[in-house]
Amino acid sequence: SQQGEEDPQALSIQEGENATMNCSYKTSINNLQWYRQNSGRGLVHLILIRSNEREKHSGRLRVTLDTSKKSSSLLITASRAADTASYFCATDAPETSGSRLTFGEGTQLTVNP
Amino acid sequence: DTGVSQDPRHKITKRGQNVTFRCDPISEHNRLYWYRQTLGQGPEFLTYFQNEAQLEKSRLLSDRFSAERPKGSFSTLEIQRTEQGDSAMYLCASSILQGSYEQYFGPGTRLTVT
Repeated sequence: SQQGEEDPQALSIQEGENATMNCSYKTSINNLQWYRQNSGRGLVHLILIRSNEREKHSGRLRVTLDTSKKSSSLLITASRAADTASYFCATDAPETSGSRLTFGEGTQLTVNP
Repeated sequence: DTGVSQDPRHKITKRGQNVTFRCDPISEHNRLYWYRQTLGQGPEFLTYFQNEAQLEKSRLLSDRFSAERPKGSFSTLEIQRTEQGDSAMYLCASSILQGSYEQYFGPGTRLTVT
């Protein structure tokens, strides 16, 4: 079963705007990762945040993690049409760290030129 | 190209037939994973290998599914007596054993069972 839930399920914005996607999960985690998937393709790793971290940046990406609320957010700043994709959060539990990832259902982001 | 590769990219088969998919991980990666993804959903874990040892299998992996990684390099996933419900994208990923939890995904094999 899916551990995470992404919110919103779909997001449509204009190029240059910021996009924020949220992820909630149910059990304790070791790490939380965000992946991007273009239509019909494999997943591309974007960023990883450890359970003892609260915020992380990578280029135009900013991820926050609130373990007390079991939630994370992904912010993409100054969005581009090429950012159009599905975005998934994925967690690994302490007891299975390094093995299985549990994915959410994803947010479909559309960036209109 | 040194990424994860999967073959075939697409497979159409009739119900009841057997199918086999192949995954070639990044060469220095010890761990190899199989996931299944249906339309509009996130990937679901099926199984993973550390070198040639299969260390975990999901309850999703029924008796009709079998995976191997005979020499700790490439892996195969076989589905016997396919059913329409097996139609999905089958994704393979690999990772280094130590120090990184990032998984690198291949392009997937899309299976359609008619």
